[in-house]
Amino acid sequence: QSVLTQPPSASGTPGQRVSISCSGSSSNIGSNPIHWYQHFPGTAPLRLIHSNSQRFSSVPERFSGSKSGTSGSLAISGLQSEDEAHYFCAAWDDSLNGPVFGGGTKLTVL
Amino acid sequence: QVQLQESGPRLVKPSETLSLTCTVSGGSISVYYWSWIRQSPGKGLDWIGSINNGGKSNYSPSLKSRVTMSVDTSRNQISLGLSSVTAADTAVYYCARVPKWELPPDYWGPGMVVTVSS
Repeated sequence: QSVLTQPPSASGTPGQRVSISCSGSSSNIGSNPIHWYQHFPGTAPLRLIHSNSQRFSSVPERFSGSKSGTSGSLAISGLQSEDEAHYFCAAWDDSLNGPVFGGGTKLTVL
Repeated sequence: QVQLQESGPRLVKPSETLSLTCTVSGGSISVYYWSWIRQSPGKGLDWIGSINNGGKSNYSPSLKSRVTMSVDTSRNQISLGLSSVTAADTAVYYCARVPKWELPPDYWGPGMVVTVSS
C-alpha cells in the first residue's frame, strides 16, 4: 500500500481532458510540493511537473498540476494516444525524512 | 542530458548481499543527491535511501540495518548494497537523481529487475 493514494486507472478519448488525483497527509503533500511523472514500463520515469504546478522544460502545456491541502491533481488536456502511460506522484515526507510515492495510475486512451 | 543506468546481478540467493551500481552520464555526480528506490511486484514505489558525495545520507527505517550506499566520483557511480536478502526483496530497483535535499527525484534510471531465489 502506497503512502500517497492514486486511482489505479483512468481513461479518456482523444481530445478530452482527464484528471488524476493524488492524496496524502499533513507530513507530505500538506507541507511539501508534489511532483508528477510519466512512466512507460521498462523505461525511465520522465519528470512532468514539480512544485505542484510547474512544468519541467520540454513538457507540453497540455500537462498541468495543482494542489490543495493534502491533495493534488495532474490534468491532461487535449488527450493524445501517446499519453497512454502510467502516471505517479511524489512528495517529500517530513516524518520519513525521504520521498514518498503514489501507487500510479494507468491512463488508457480509448 | 543526464542519463542513469543500473547494473548488477539479476539473481541473488537468499541471505546473500544484493549489490547494484548506478552509472551516471551527462553530468557530474558531485553536486547532487542520489537515491535508490524499488518497486516490488504488485506494489508501489518505496524509497530505500539517499546519499551525496559530501557524506550526507539517510535510509528508510525499515531497511536501514541492511543498507549501505556509496558514491564514487572517479567513476561517476553510486552503489547500493542490501544484505541478508529474502524473497521480499525481489523488485525493480531504480536509481534517481535528487536535485536538492527534501525534494523528490528529477532524473531516473530505467530500473533493473532483481530476483531473490535459490
